Amino acid sequence: GENVEQHPSTLSVQEGDSAVIKCTYSDSASNYFPWYKQELGKRPQLIIDIRSNVGEKKDQRIAVTLNKTAKHFSLHITETQPEDSAVYFCAASTTGGGNKLTFGTGTQLKVEL
Amino acid sequence: DGGITQSPKYLFRKEGQNVTLSCEQNLNHDAMYWYRQDPGQGLRLIYYSQIVNDFQKGDIAEGYSVSREKKESFPLTVTSAQKNPTAFYLCASSISPGTSGRYNEQFFGPGTRLTVL
Repeated sequence: GENVEQHPSTLSVQEGDSAVIKCTYSDSASNYFPWYKQELGKRPQLIIDIRSNVGEKKDQRIAVTLNKTAKHFSLHITETQPEDSAVYFCAASTTGGGNKLTFGTGTQLKVEL
Repeated sequence: DGGITQSPKYLFRKEGQNVTLSCEQNLNHDAMYWYRQDPGQGLRLIYYSQIVNDFQKGDIAEGYSVSREKKESFPLTVTSAQKNPTAFYLCASSISPGTSGRYNEQFFGPGTRLTVL
């Protein structure tokens, strides 16, 4: 089955700096890669996703890049703000696999003033 | 994701007891999922259902059971066979693959925190 690895497990940045979180996946059939943000005690919320037919997607301060050959994808947050502090999860899935998501182990992002 | 609810928010169970966690959605989604979340381990798939009256095991199904008698509901039973049930349980739903639109996006409920005493 699919295996998703996520790094780093914790990340501390100064407000205004950029943050990058990286994930690798094992199943070359995976074609959908979402990123979720989870605040303490809350439900995960989708912040951005990318499909395998594109290499990059951007939404305001958030961007995701995908390298299908290397089987890795990354989340980029620019101009970080304190409200960006949360746990971020990457995931991968294949349409033919029942839309199952395999999650990475999460990155605790802390944005310091 | 405001259309998917879970109850109760907190649940306490004595060892040896079965408990059932509720998950309801009014999003008209065909697919529903149950995940378990433990600290430092991300979300792991327990069971999923793509259509009414059908469901499949996920990666960690042992000690759990589900039913899907209605499209809106996907209850999870944590049985006494689950050796370490204390965790945060999240239910999710999505449009089934093949449907136009954001068919892969999964919407999560608020979760149930289960503690075994």
